Amino acid sequence: QSALTQPPSASGSPGQSVTISCTGTSSDIGTYNYVSWYQQHPGEAPKLMIHDVSKRPSGVPDRFSGSKSGNTASLTVSGLQAEDEADYYCTSYAGINNFVVFGGGTKLTVL
Amino acid sequence: QLQLQESGPGLVKPSETLSLTCTVSGGSITGSSYYWAWIRQPPGKGLEWVGSINYSGNTYYSPSLKSRVTISVDTSKNQFSLRLNSVTAADTAVYYCARHDGPWGRGAMVTVSS
Repeated sequence: QSALTQPPSASGSPGQSVTISCTGTSSDIGTYNYVSWYQQHPGEAPKLMIHDVSKRPSGVPDRFSGSKSGNTASLTVSGLQAEDEADYYCTSYAGINNFVVFGGGTKLTVL
Repeated sequence: QLQLQESGPGLVKPSETLSLTCTVSGGSITGSSYYWAWIRQPPGKGLEWVGSINYSGNTYYSPSLKSRVTISVDTSKNQFSLRLNSVTAADTAVYYCARHDGPWGRGAMVTVSS
């Protein structure tokens, strides 16, 4: 069982927006602004899409955005495109005892 | 452009030690205050953090693996390494090395089998 809770699946049609949630606790997401999101296509390594809750690395489309409220972080993908179909994982810093925790992953399907 | 590459045996026998090395190129492992991590992914399953280290050797390990894991760094070779002892079939996975909030290696499939 993963430390962070994500819905197993999400879907949307091309052009629509979809939001994926990631729920933690006051020991991780609720306390630290160190939430990251990764995109993983089948057979490939994960790719960083968002770090520090809402920051986009260079080269990541601005269709991807991140936010946080309380113990829950969210990834929103706007203007869905076929290439956005992938697994998405959230992760958070969790203090010196646990350091890093992952979500179980969400499979995003573009209908 | 920072790149990471995992290397090591693809097959390990049960009860033996899994050893992998991550070679960092395109940048120094001693740069800034970054942490470097090992993450694994069993076939068909999600990502699991194994442990992290910084260039001065400060380490953090997953509580569930702590008793079996050692991560070390060799700044002269711009590498960091993973050792996981007493492996079982449950340790079969793709092992990734990565910089925290940065690029990942392509992954190394390690199978535990006799």
